[in-house]
Amino acid sequence: DQQVKQNSPSLSVQEGRISILNCDYTNSMFDYFLWYKKYPAEGPTFLISISSIKDKNEDGRFTVFLNKSAKHLSLHIVPSQPGDSAVYFCAAPTNAGGTSYGKLTFGQGTILTVHP
Amino acid sequence: DTGVSQNPRHKITKRGQNVTFRCDPISEHNRLYWYRQTLGQGPEFLTYFQNEAQLEKSRLLSDRFSAERPKGSFSTLEIQRTEQGDSAMYLCASSYDRGRGEKLFFGSGTQLSVL
Repeated sequence: DQQVKQNSPSLSVQEGRISILNCDYTNSMFDYFLWYKKYPAEGPTFLISISSIKDKNEDGRFTVFLNKSAKHLSLHIVPSQPGDSAVYFCAAPTNAGGTSYGKLTFGQGTILTVHP
Repeated sequence: DTGVSQNPRHKITKRGQNVTFRCDPISEHNRLYWYRQTLGQGPEFLTYFQNEAQLEKSRLLSDRFSAERPKGSFSTLEIQRTEQGDSAMYLCASSYDRGRGEKLFFGSGTQLSVL
C-alpha cells in the first residue's frame, strides 16, 4: 500500500523557469510533510517541511503547498538552477501520535533535470 | 562538522554469506535509523534506536536481519544468509528528537549486491 505517491518519475525544465514537483498521499492521519533531495552517491538531505495546519511554507527559492482536501502537496522551485538537478522525495511521518517523527514513509521520487 | 558515516560504501557478496554494515551517527544525535532503498523506490524504514534501545522494527526486517547500537553510539546492521532480494542501498540516518521538528541526517549508504 503506497501511502505517499509521486506519479511523475521525471521532470525536465529550463534554467530560470519554475519546477513543480507533485506528491499525493492517502493517509488522512498524516499531519506533517517533508521534502528531501538526493544527489547521486549521496544520502537524502532535508529540504523543506510543512505542517498540516498550514497551506504554504516558503524558504528562499523553495515553496511547498499543501491541499489537505485533495491530499496533495507540491514543491515549487523558482528560479530553477542546474544545481537543483537531483531526485526529490516527499515523505510523511508514519508514527502518528507515537514517539518518533523520524519514521518516514517516502514517495518513489521524481528526478529533476534543470538544463542550462 | 562530521556527518553520518557509513562503511563500507559498497559490498558484493555471494548468496548465503553474512554481511555487516556500520554506521557512525552525528555525535550529539540520540536517534539512529536504518532504511533500505531499492532502484526506483524511496527509502523504506527498517528500524530505529533511541540511544542504545531498539524501539521499533519494520515487518521488512526478517529474522535474518539484526541491528545493534551498543552504548548508544555507532550501529551495526547484520544480514545473515543473504539472498538476492537483499540487494539494495542501506541508508543510516541520525537525528535529535525535536517532535515534529525532527529531521533526519542521512549517510551516503552502503550498496549491497548479492550474487
